[in-house]
Amino acid sequence: KAGVTQTPRYLIKTRGQQVTLSCSPISGHRSVSWYQQTPGQGLQFLFEYFSETQRNKGNFPGRFSGRQFSNSRSEMNVSTLELGDSALYLCASSLVKGEGEQYFGPGTRLTVT
Amino acid sequence: GENVEQHPSTLSVQEGDSAVIKCTYSDSASNYFPWYKQELGKRPQLIIDIRSNVGEKKDQRIAVTLNKTAKHFSLHITETQPEDSAVYFCAGNGANNLFFGTGTRLTVIP
Repeated sequence: KAGVTQTPRYLIKTRGQQVTLSCSPISGHRSVSWYQQTPGQGLQFLFEYFSETQRNKGNFPGRFSGRQFSNSRSEMNVSTLELGDSALYLCASSLVKGEGEQYFGPGTRLTVT
Repeated sequence: GENVEQHPSTLSVQEGDSAVIKCTYSDSASNYFPWYKQELGKRPQLIIDIRSNVGEKKDQRIAVTLNKTAKHFSLHITETQPEDSAVYFCAGNGANNLFFGTGTRLTVIP
């Protein structure tokens, strides 16, 4: 079974621009969660989608948004990029919402200059 | 929401010694506590998990204990090996999502 994939793997943007990241979950997984990983801050929860609905949202500004399509693929968007948005963005998929193993993708390394 | 605290942030042990990482959580409704290992440049991977109806779980050299009353859980690695060197994250599933600790960088010195 193919694992979780994320595109692009690397991205360089300038302040003020917007960016869209994509995540394809494992086939059959309907829950997709997004995390921001920065040194010293660990994995911070952004939001979680289940069956095309955002179920939960972490403590991030409204510049961070996402969506999920009927095939469970998910995208996250960051508008008006700031230098502090530079991070590794990881998505994870799971069969069951809220518990059970989450399978992580390789991440998208976003650098904002 | 759930708040998971993890200690220590860094840990160095001699090969063959044991390592212990501790986490506390705030949401008494949390009932699932996984541990993830992230090697340098790689994605986090689940190494062991425990549910709230169990006090301890073991898998070869790795064990996790849970104290629901005190709201803390710990990862124990025995007979550490250099390949155990990585960042370890604990998590709790408050509000039906995983909330992670800030990670522990474990270094096993050969």
